[in-house]
Amino acid sequence: EAQLVDSGGGLVQPGGSLRLSCAASGFNFDNYAISWVRQAPGRGLEWVAGISDSGHSTYYADSVKGRFTISRDNSNNRLSLQMNSLGVEDTAVYYCAKGTDRYCSGSRCYPFDSWGQGSLVTVSS
Amino acid sequence: EIVLTQSPDTLSLSPGERATLSCRASQSISSSYLAWYQQKPGQTHRLLIYDTSRRATGIPDRFSGSGSGTHFTLTITRLEPEDFAVYYCQQYDNLITFGQGTRLEIK
Repeated sequence: EAQLVDSGGGLVQPGGSLRLSCAASGFNFDNYAISWVRQAPGRGLEWVAGISDSGHSTYYADSVKGRFTISRDNSNNRLSLQMNSLGVEDTAVYYCAKGTDRYCSGSRCYPFDSWGQGSLVTVSS
Repeated sequence: EIVLTQSPDTLSLSPGERATLSCRASQSISSSYLAWYQQKPGQTHRLLIYDTSRRATGIPDRFSGSGSGTHFTLTITRLEPEDFAVYYCQQYDNLITFGQGTRLEIK
């Protein structure tokens, strides 16, 4: 059974940086695309970024483009999200989520069949 | 960006009743690339339905999805106590967006 464990969340000041990690197990990690999805307090889900199985293709929501970088280490079954220039609007629980496919084909992507438990990021002075 | 609007925000029903949740898209979703998820406190998100109407592995047949174009529906027949949760729709036809969620609560 696929398992994803998020870590790295915490309190950071506006303008600061933080790096999230996601450790995967129970499936062939390098066969699937993975994404980060966040949920601000009292709000719904927002897709943040995605990466193809090989790591060669990445995709970002407009709200984080140029500030966040998604990457993966297939040799260690780990996903990362480097977050820079953080603002209060980035405060949320961040989830890694396993896609059901290897990559987005053009703009056509995938649903998520396994999720992490989430890591809380709080941006505040 | 395709915006998904779910309705109602909150649905109050009793166990044994039928629930109908709506998800409307700001533009047509081709090839029915729409999914539904369940979120419960203390649990990870659960994929219920993908490709509009296909049940994910292990999902009971009281959950069903339907729709096309810009209007999609998740139906839960005969609500069980464990079905009371928050439900989200997601489109994956044009990158990925989610609806704002519908809270299904016990009446």
